[in-house]
Amino acid sequence: GQNIDQPTEMTATEGAIVQINCTYQTSGFNGLFWYQQHAGEAPTFLSYNVLDGLEEKGRFSSFLSRSKGYSYLLLKELQMKDSASYLCAARNGGFKTIFGAGTRLFVKA
Amino acid sequence: GAVVSQHPSWVICKSGTSVKIECRSLDFQATTMFWYRQFPKQSLMLMATSNEGSKATYEQGVEKDKFLINHASLTLSTLTVTSAHPEDSSFYICSAQSEAGGSYEQYFGPGTRLTVT
Repeated sequence: GQNIDQPTEMTATEGAIVQINCTYQTSGFNGLFWYQQHAGEAPTFLSYNVLDGLEEKGRFSSFLSRSKGYSYLLLKELQMKDSASYLCAARNGGFKTIFGAGTRLFVKA
Repeated sequence: GAVVSQHPSWVICKSGTSVKIECRSLDFQATTMFWYRQFPKQSLMLMATSNEGSKATYEQGVEKDKFLINHASLTLSTLTVTSAHPEDSSFYICSAQSEAGGSYEQYFGPGTRLTVT
């Protein structure tokens, strides 16, 4: 079957670094996405990986290992506004995107 | 670029009535649009895939006669919730797929919060 697993909740301190892990199983693979979603709002795109390795974009980086079906989102220099849900999503061979349940990140002062 | 709008942003309706939600890609053409539903503290659940000029493909467990989808143009898809009931109250989000450069990126609309009383 197709499945996305990520932790339900994480807590980190302002200014710190946090890594949100995601494992996926899909029928075929056409990329791994990370989205940020604040409560009551639609998701906003953070990153896209289709090849193995690390993609860095400012304070956010995303890593992919296709052989392991594994990705992580790394957030550096955490700010209070980073408190949100982070959705891992994998696009399968039919170009359908499967979303994980999301990881709720709480950033504390 | 790549802006997707939804209208209305929120709607309250009485049980038994129908509600239409519009999803528009403002600055690109989208052959494919997706409709999701999200309940509080849960992830996005794909309801259906909307393809311009053809019938929508519904996910298992989604009633196609209750959730009518029309994708009449490359920039507009509509979702009509027919005979709405309180359990249909949810956050409905559309996304439009851009095929520019072969990226197949999905861009999300801001969502529509439906409350059925």
